[in-house]
Amino acid sequence: DAGITQSPRHKVTETGTPVTLRCHQTENHRYMYWYRQDPGHGLRLIHYSYGVKDTDKGEVSDGYSVSRSKTEDFLLTLESATSSQTSVYFCAITGQENEQYFGPGTRLTVT
Amino acid sequence: AQSVTQPDIHITVSEGASLELRCNYSYGATPYLFWYVQSPGQGLQLLLKYFSGDTLVQGIKGFEAEFKRSQSSFNLRKPSVHWSDAAEYFCAVASTSGTYKYIFGTGTRLKVLA
Repeated sequence: DAGITQSPRHKVTETGTPVTLRCHQTENHRYMYWYRQDPGHGLRLIHYSYGVKDTDKGEVSDGYSVSRSKTEDFLLTLESATSSQTSVYFCAITGQENEQYFGPGTRLTVT
Repeated sequence: AQSVTQPDIHITVSEGASLELRCNYSYGATPYLFWYVQSPGQGLQLLLKYFSGDTLVQGIKGFEAEFKRSQSSFNLRKPSVHWSDAAEYFCAVASTSGTYKYIFGTGTRLKVLA
């Protein structure tokens, strides 16, 4: 257990509204990641962070932004949610041996 | 382009039978290699990993995987499957330096028949 929590766990929102998902870790890991999981696509990297205020884009970053003002928190924001962003979102950290540990996921539905 | 291919979307085996899940990768150099398992409604759990050295690696729950450099493969095996192994399995690769960005395969869903 890498001490990763995600909130909310489930959310339904309307198209065009902003949404923020939170990832919280308790073990001071430097690297944090946001993925989305969709059937037939596996996990795809949205954004990642390699330290406080240090972030970079992944392969599917369009429509998403992130922020990391504290080591323990990594926020993912959908500025204006679209139906194509309906997905399950996972946060992850990199452990000491370069393995990744995942949070429990957030199921987001955009109607 | 860097990629991970899991050619089998679904696999069905009988309980007690052996299992092999295939994973092939395309990468500039030998990356770190991983297998993860995901039960329905859950996050991903690390089964095993390969960094270097012995090409046969042991993981949790009785799983093992073999790295074959010549075939760019990292297949997952289990000698005798249990009903509780029914889940989705993901192969992943990561760079050996820098930001440790992962690339995941699209997954193989395992069904186990009683």
